Amino acid sequence: DAKTTQPNSMESNEEEPVHLPCNHSTISGTDYIHWYRQLPSQGPEYVIHGLTSNVNNRMASLAIAEDRKSSTLILHRATLRDAAVYYCILRSGGSEKLVFGKGTKLTVNP
Amino acid sequence: DTAVSQTPKYLVTQMGNDKSIKCEQNLGHDTMYWYKQDSKKFLKIMFSYNNKELIINETVPNRFSPKSPDKAHLNLHINSLELGDSAVYFCASSQRGADTQYFGPGTRLTVL
Repeated sequence: DAKTTQPNSMESNEEEPVHLPCNHSTISGTDYIHWYRQLPSQGPEYVIHGLTSNVNNRMASLAIAEDRKSSTLILHRATLRDAAVYYCILRSGGSEKLVFGKGTKLTVNP
Repeated sequence: DTAVSQTPKYLVTQMGNDKSIKCEQNLGHDTMYWYKQDSKKFLKIMFSYNNKELIINETVPNRFSPKSPDKAHLNLHINSLELGDSAVYFCASSQRGADTQYFGPGTRLTVL
């Protein structure tokens, strides 16, 4: 399974944008980039995913580098409820497996 | 309505006992999973079932036996519990080929 590298932790202030980086230099052509987050004492929750193009949804935006070796999850206006561990995951097309790394623990300050 | 539910939420038991965790999803999905999150917070897949058929088995000890009576249920039975089995167990479901897995709230298992 291809690996991802994320910072262990990041801090943000409420209502400010947050950019969560992820490096995946060994990504293959069929790997999708998925982001999940895990709020305290809850199960993981899907955030967004993409293959090559940038993606937007109601929760976040995903910016994918042109060479696909890195990506950035963007929370446009962080709220206290966004404090969670964010996982960047590479998922092969057709694979049912999610391989979680250590993730980035995001702290949002009021 | 809860999409993926697990029972019990907490389970405390003695070493050597046998216990089960139940999972149900009401999303109409055909694929279900069990994940284990250990004390260091690493989340790792254990099993996956598609239409009641085992499709992923990630080198889990034989003491762990998943059972899927139907597409909406995937139970996890653990024999001869050991201290190292203490963890939070998450059930998840998805529609095979779809992009999103939906996770349950977790069952915290403590083995004394």
